Amino acid sequence: DTAVSQTPKYLVTQMGNDKSIKCEQNLGHDTMYWYKQDSKKFLKIMFSYNNKELIINETVPNRFSPKSPDKAHLNLHINSLELGDSAVYFCASRGAGGSYEQYFGPGTRLTVT
Amino acid sequence: EDQVTQSPEALRLQEGESSSLNCSYTVSGLRGLFWYRQDPGKGPEFLFTLYSAGEEKEKERLKATLTKKESFLHITAPKPEDSATYLCAVQGPKAGTALIFGKGTTLSVSS
Repeated sequence: DTAVSQTPKYLVTQMGNDKSIKCEQNLGHDTMYWYKQDSKKFLKIMFSYNNKELIINETVPNRFSPKSPDKAHLNLHINSLELGDSAVYFCASRGAGGSYEQYFGPGTRLTVT
Repeated sequence: EDQVTQSPEALRLQEGESSSLNCSYTVSGLRGLFWYRQDPGKGPEFLFTLYSAGEEKEKERLKATLTKKESFLHITAPKPEDSATYLCAVQGPKAGTALIFGKGTTLSVSS
C-alpha cells in the first residue's frame, strides 16, 4: 500500500488555466506539506498543515491555495497558471511525537505551456 | 538564515570505490538532520535522522555521521544500484516543522 499518494502524476496545461493536485496519506500522520522542486532539483517548502490547520505559508503567490478536508488529505489548487509554475510538486507527511522525518509522495510534474 | 550546503554537486565512482558526501549546515537550534535518497522521477526516500553531534547511523553500505557543523554520508564499496541523488535536510525552530534542503549530490556508480 502506498503511504503517500498524489494524483495526477503528470499534468500538462496551458497558461491561465486553473488546476488541482490531490494528496492522500494512509500513515495516520498529523502534519502534511507541499514542496516545490524546481528544474535544478531544489526542494522548497510551500505550505504546512497540522490537523487541517495552516501552519506554514512561505512566500508563495496567492494563486496557490492549499485545502485540507481532513487529516489524511491535502490538496493544492493553482489559479491562473503561469510558465514559471512548471515544476515537480511533492506532498509529504509527518507523524506526531519526537521524530521529525517526513515521508514524501511520488510527485506531480506540472508543465505549463 | 538557516542554510544547507552539499558537496560535491556530482560524484562519479567505480563500483567498490568508497567515498563520502558532505552536508554543511547553519541552523539555530538543530532539531534533526535528515538524509534522503531520490531516484529520477520519484519522491525523496527517507534514509536517516541524526539528532546530536557524535551520532552515527548505518544502513547497508551507507553510514551517516554528524558534527556540530556538518554531516557526512559515507558510502562503502558502492554498487551501481546506489546511483541516485542524495539530499540532506535540517529542521530548526525558525522554520517550524518544515525541512530545509540542500541542493543534493548526484552519485553515479559504474560497474
